[in-house]
Amino acid sequence: AQSVTQLDSHVSVSEGTPVLLRCNYSSSYSPSLFWYVQHPNKGLQLLLKYTSAATLVKGINGFEAEFKKSETSFHLTKPSAHMSDAAEYFCVVSNNFGNEKLTFGTGTRLTIIP
Amino acid sequence: SAVISQKPSRDICQRGTSLTIQCQVDSQVTMMFWYRQQPGQSLTLIATANQGSEATYESGFVIDKFPISRPNLTFSTLTVSNMSPEDSSIYLCSVVNYGYTFGSGTRLTVV
Repeated sequence: AQSVTQLDSHVSVSEGTPVLLRCNYSSSYSPSLFWYVQHPNKGLQLLLKYTSAATLVKGINGFEAEFKKSETSFHLTKPSAHMSDAAEYFCVVSNNFGNEKLTFGTGTRLTIIP
Repeated sequence: SAVISQKPSRDICQRGTSLTIQCQVDSQVTMMFWYRQQPGQSLTLIATANQGSEATYESGFVIDKFPISRPNLTFSTLTVSNMSPEDSSIYLCSVVNYGYTFGSGTRLTVV
């Protein structure tokens, strides 16, 4: 079984300040982990993914995430928030044993304060 | 990664009717997935569709309500049957091909 817990349903930060979106996972196997972003009335866009290579993963638009097995975490960070980052963010897990379905977290809504 | 064409993009339907959603992929893929995103919620997997076999449904979803076809390796349909307002959601298909790709979604409103 696999699951993800996004610890914050809503995060607000000021423009130009750091962003931290927290995610913990549970997986019976070595997981693949993803962060997706969904802007209002838009489709899902992949920000970054971890698939058992480097534990620090760099994604698009300045986002990065660090896989910490000891803490079962995969938090998403960005050094400086931009107004265009306002969106819903989903942490997603998949196991690597052939059954490649994705399990989504409940999402974190990121608000950027001007 | 694959490119998915999903249609319709949106529809408003009367309760009791059915809607069929189509996903066409630009390359052959083994598994296709169908998700539901209820208003203000995350995505929930409905079923996994493999070509040549019956779809595998997740807990809480049944074939009579969400019949799926997978006639070949590039195409699949999901039907939402006997709709009620509770079926109002965004429905998305997804494939795995050098990464996960999602269709643009079908926004369904049942009145």
